[in-house]
Amino acid sequence: DAKTTQPTSMDCAEGRAANLPCNHSTISGNEYVYWYRQIHSQGPQYIIHGLKNNETNEMASLIITEDRKSSTLILPHATLRDTAVYYCIVRVAGPKGNEKLTFGTGTRLTIIP
Amino acid sequence: DGGITQSPKYLFRKEGQNVTLSCEQNLNHDAMYWYRQDPGQGLRLIYYSQIVNDFQKGDIAEGYSVSREKKESFPLTVTSAQKNPTAFYLCASSPQLHIYGYTFGSGTRLTVV
Repeated sequence: DAKTTQPTSMDCAEGRAANLPCNHSTISGNEYVYWYRQIHSQGPQYIIHGLKNNETNEMASLIITEDRKSSTLILPHATLRDTAVYYCIVRVAGPKGNEKLTFGTGTRLTIIP
Repeated sequence: DGGITQSPKYLFRKEGQNVTLSCEQNLNHDAMYWYRQDPGQGLRLIYYSQIVNDFQKGDIAEGYSVSREKKESFPLTVTSAQKNPTAFYLCASSPQLHIYGYTFGSGTRLTVV
């Protein structure tokens, strides 16, 4: 699986958009970008994933650059409950990808009232 | 509701004792995983299983053992051979042919005294 690089920590004001960057310059053509988040002392929660196109769901938007070497997770209107560690992961989807999901240290996002 | 149940949430054991952490899922998922998380760190894969009666070592399997006798259950035993067993343990599951990511349990915090 491709290695990812994320900032260690970020702050965002409540009600503003939180933009979390992730670099994955060695990503392969068949690797997806996944985002999870982990609220303190809980299990990680799936947020969104994408391959090439930008994606949006009820939780967030995922913007992937055209060369796929980086991506940004956007939380459009951050609330205090969005304070968590956010993990960016790249991996192959399907049976091969089930073998391993590797989490780094992620970005600790703090939403400021 | 479907999900993953880890029990207990907190567990205390004396040094040198084996301890078994429970993980049960009713999602009909084929694959199950055990991760360990230390304070301020990412998740590290201990063991994973893609089908019943089969499992594979992850990155830090030494001092741990697992079994997968039923699709729904994937217990983890922390043996006395594990040098630093105090940690937060997370169980996860996924369908074999998924792309939407893993479902995690709420974790077991093990403290060895």
